[in-house]
Amino acid sequence: ETGVTQTPRHLVMGMTNKKSLKCEQHLGHNAMYWYKQSAKKPLELMFVYNFKEQTENNSVPSRFSPECPNSSHLFLHLHTLQPEDSALYLCASSQDLGPGTDTQYFGPGTRLTVL
Amino acid sequence: GIQVEQSPPDLILQEGANSTLRCNFSDSVNNLQWFHQNPWGQLINLFYIPSGTKQNGRLSATTVATERYSLLYISSSQTTDSGVYFCAAASDTGGFKTIFGAGTRLFVKA
Repeated sequence: ETGVTQTPRHLVMGMTNKKSLKCEQHLGHNAMYWYKQSAKKPLELMFVYNFKEQTENNSVPSRFSPECPNSSHLFLHLHTLQPEDSALYLCASSQDLGPGTDTQYFGPGTRLTVL
Repeated sequence: GIQVEQSPPDLILQEGANSTLRCNFSDSVNNLQWFHQNPWGQLINLFYIPSGTKQNGRLSATTVATERYSLLYISSSQTTDSGVYFCAAASDTGGFKTIFGAGTRLFVKA
């Protein structure tokens, strides 16, 4: 138990569906992250938020829409996805983004399958 | 953008052995991190090490930023060290971006 929870743990959706992934951290951290882990590609950092503000967006397609309403919660809204978007989506949090404070704690991930 | 290469891709060790994992990166970096993903998928951040050397128990890491590489040392390996080790480099050249290597898959035999 890392203090970072993700729901749902598994999700199957069609290409026309709209769904959301949720991440919650109970660590009092200020920074939160979304990662994508596909079967045949390196781990990809998607988005970084610090104090609810987005600080990094690694050229992620607009069909993925992040939302960070407060420092404890992070959402990833999904719409019109493609089968190649099937992957494990990992959330992480860290105290801050500065040196010595950005050790990241990861959630268990959401396994997404797009049909 | 920055490129990150890890070696070896796969490694099998006998319990108790030492090992060195390498991460090469193609550009100067603001941030270099090592992660471990256990066989059940849980990811753990091991080190934040843009330069210098750090140690945490049986693990230590060294980054030589001027020569664009980082090393992760595992001493007296244990079966619980099995999994995939990733390094990730972040550079603000051409826009801030974090890139992961493909990982080194380690299996420690009892």
